[in-house]
Amino acid sequence: NAGVTQTPKFRVLKTGQSMTLLCAQDMNHEYMYWYRQDPGMGLRLIHYSVGEGTTAKGEVPDGYNVSRLKKQNFLLGLESAAPSQTSVYFCASSYHSTENYGYTFGSGTRLTVV
Amino acid sequence: GNSVTQMEGPVTLSEEAFLTINCTYTATGYPSLFWYVQYPGEGLQLLLKATKADDKGSNKGFEATYRKETTSFHLEKGSVQVSDSAVYFCALSAKGAQKLVFGQGTRLTINP
Repeated sequence: NAGVTQTPKFRVLKTGQSMTLLCAQDMNHEYMYWYRQDPGMGLRLIHYSVGEGTTAKGEVPDGYNVSRLKKQNFLLGLESAAPSQTSVYFCASSYHSTENYGYTFGSGTRLTVV
Repeated sequence: GNSVTQMEGPVTLSEEAFLTINCTYTATGYPSLFWYVQYPGEGLQLLLKATKADDKGSNKGFEATYRKETTSFHLEKGSVQVSDSAVYFCALSAKGAQKLVFGQGTRLTINP
């Protein structure tokens, strides 16, 4: 049982380059989320999805796009990377409503934009 | 809106000391409450949870009791170990919610 898998684990980008981060879950969860975590700061929600084909903005959506074409996958795209997007990115998933089980998190993607 | 406030860190203790990390919340109704732990270089893991008032969540020697009268969910451990060094996050979920609300995290360092 893999849980939530994020790829890649590490990446260095040059300013202006694009990339896609992949999150895959094998728990049949309805909800999926992308967060970023910066040094000395907590988690900030970028985008989330409450089901296949749906997405919604979180607290800090600018500069990112997402897609949920399949229930098990949630992709986070950076169209034109900026140094301010240097961060650790976490994907999470949950069942319908978060009140009973909370989230299951992936192990993170450490992204550096130079 | 719903919010979670944790005690500010960092917190540094000696091995075998007693640990308390304070967490208070603001929410309508009676939310579910969670503690997550993040070890260095890893993602967050669920440590314990409580889904109704007066419930006590426990795991790995950690405990937290859901106190609706003080809107609190303080994390405690009687004797900490070096391996408990991590960042701890308190979180809540309103009934029927789509998202968790997280506190800002508390970094804990245990010295041998």
